[in-house]
Amino acid sequence: GNSVTQMEGPVTLSEEAFLTINCTYTATGYPSLFWYVQYPGEGLQLLLKATKADDKGSNKGFEATYRKETTSFHLEKGSVQVSDSAVYFCALRENTGNQFYFGTGTSLTVIP
Amino acid sequence: KAGVTQTPRYLIKTRGQQVTLSCSPISGHRSVSWYQQTPGQGLQFLFEYFSETQRNKGNFPGRFSGRQFSNSRSEMNVSTLELGDSALYLCASSSLGSSNYGYTFGSGTRLTVV
Repeated sequence: GNSVTQMEGPVTLSEEAFLTINCTYTATGYPSLFWYVQYPGEGLQLLLKATKADDKGSNKGFEATYRKETTSFHLEKGSVQVSDSAVYFCALRENTGNQFYFGTGTSLTVIP
Repeated sequence: KAGVTQTPRYLIKTRGQQVTLSCSPISGHRSVSWYQQTPGQGLQFLFEYFSETQRNKGNFPGRFSGRQFSNSRSEMNVSTLELGDSALYLCASSSLGSSNYGYTFGSGTRLTVV
């Protein structure tokens, strides 16, 4: 079946620190991979996506590379800001369907 | 353009009651999906509608139902509410079937069952 495993939180970093949130997946086919971000009291916002192996998604300084050989899609940012504090969800969607499978979310707090 | 609109934003209901939540997708989007988000279970897929037809359904009891109208607006209904139904219910819309596009999520309806 399909599933996503992401690193447990919460994660607390100082401003300008390097961020990595690990995400691995299991899929029966060839999925597209996504990172969504959720700010307090809000829904999910698409942060970045990758639709095939070796694709790199990037947005707002965040990056993630679709690694088929390690079934991973780790999220990275070189220098986090206080405004990056949120919950981050890794997700996959099979290319033959429209259902998302989400990880459990990783809470990030960035302190000044 | 306007995003996905969910109403109401907050709702408090009593056990045993029923509730209806509404989702208006982005104009032109014909696919609407619903998810339940709870601290214990995370984000779980409820169902997806496309052109007024339920195309996919998650593993939820029959108390959870939905429908989609000809203008693509969708409603979900939960009957005989239980305390465990307290959650954030998220709706997401997408354009026609393309796997290259992420869904756009609404801000959700926070349901509290007391």
